[in-house]
Amino acid sequence: QVQLQESGPGLVKPSETLSLTCTVSGGSISSYYWNWIRQPAGKGLEWIGRIDTSGSTDYNPSLKSRVTMSVDTSRYQFSLRLSSVTAADTAVYYCARDRGSGNYLDYWGQGTLVTVSS
Amino acid sequence: DIQMTQSPSSLSASVGDRVTITCRASLSIDRHLNWYQQKPGKAPKVLIYAASSLQSGVPSRFSGSGSGTDFTLTISSLQPEDFATYYCQQSYNTPHTFGQGTKLEIK
Repeated sequence: QVQLQESGPGLVKPSETLSLTCTVSGGSISSYYWNWIRQPAGKGLEWIGRIDTSGSTDYNPSLKSRVTMSVDTSRYQFSLRLSSVTAADTAVYYCARDRGSGNYLDYWGQGTLVTVSS
Repeated sequence: DIQMTQSPSSLSASVGDRVTITCRASLSIDRHLNWYQQKPGKAPKVLIYAASSLQSGVPSRFSGSGSGTDFTLTISSLQPEDFATYYCQQSYNTPHTFGQGTKLEIK
């Protein structure tokens, strides 16, 4: 059974960089897109972007200037960096696998809350 | 970006009811439309992909239809475990935008 697990600091100071890693287990990391989605408390889902195992990325234009994604296939991990954070970036961050064919998110991590506060 | 608009934003219904949620795209997305269910404190779970394909393990009371700009998610007979928030998502173009969600509550 494929499992995804987010990890990283739960508290980030304003203007600093949020860094999260998602570890994939129970399945291959190859031949899929790996996504980041976030959800502020009580609000809807926002697609942040995705990366494939060749390192090709697609980012949400609303965040593109601040987002960097990377992948380490040897460690079965992919990562998100979001720079110059503000309180508006406080949210639960999810990683998820994009099936590729059909482009739907079939496996998700449990989510990790990141709070931006001094 | 493609805008996705769901209606209604909230809905009260009873166990056994038939419920329909709609999702409209701001431009044609063919059949690149997915539906997710989210319960409080949990990650979303895919129910329907490619507009009408039922994800493995999802009960057959869930169904999806539509193409182009207009889509529906139907629950044929509500069960207690179906009370949750539902989101549509287009996967036609990046960014893969979500609808704002429909909260399904117990009447």
